[in-house]
Amino acid sequence: DAGVIQSPRHEVTEMGQEVTLRCKPISGHNSLFWYRQTMMRGLELLIYFNNNVPIDDSGMPEDRFSAKMPNASFSTLKIQPSEPRDSAVYFCASSPTGQPLHSPDSGANVLTFGAGSRLTVL
Amino acid sequence: GQQVMQIPQYQHVQEGEDFTTYCNSSTTLSNIQWYKQRPGGHPVFLIQLVKSGEVKKQKRLTFQFGEAKKNSSLHITATQTTDVGTYFCAGYSGAGSYQLTFGKGTKLSVIP
Repeated sequence: DAGVIQSPRHEVTEMGQEVTLRCKPISGHNSLFWYRQTMMRGLELLIYFNNNVPIDDSGMPEDRFSAKMPNASFSTLKIQPSEPRDSAVYFCASSPTGQPLHSPDSGANVLTFGAGSRLTVL
Repeated sequence: GQQVMQIPQYQHVQEGEDFTTYCNSSTTLSNIQWYKQRPGGHPVFLIQLVKSGEVKKQKRLTFQFGEAKKNSSLHITATQTTDVGTYFCAGYSGAGSYQLTFGKGTKLSVIP
């Protein structure tokens, strides 16, 4: 199992440019999460998909951010236009199920994180 | 909304000393998970606690879940340089909740 695969690992871009981050979840996992990590705010959940459907995008900072999951094996997070304050590490994570609390003592709600995409917006 | 607080934010210890990080939630948790993130790495799952008062051990690591299921702790005995990293707790707040709320983590430095 290759785990959660993210690309690119590093991205440096200029303010105003479009940024697209990509994620391939673990095969068979039904839930996919996008997190952003900064020193100031820690790990923030941006959006959560269950069975490819966006369930909650209340963490998406503003309209410049959008996320899609066209199929079970691929998701993108897009920032357009990018701003310096978007500089952060963006993590994608997946878990086996989107109904964790039905069986809180199972491993179904454990997150596996990708290696992250470090974004720097100049 | 649910908040998960972790203290301390940073901890420097001499190799061989013990280390403890504490996690407190504003709401009762259904379960709590602990993750470790090495410098430059990504969070990696360590353990999950579900029952009130539960204690679990992994070698030198001891995890506890409070009786009221609103707090948790991670204790490392005789730290080693391989323990360096940031330790996060994360919890689900209730039935039907799908959002895992993370604490801001405790960054552990071990001085050889």
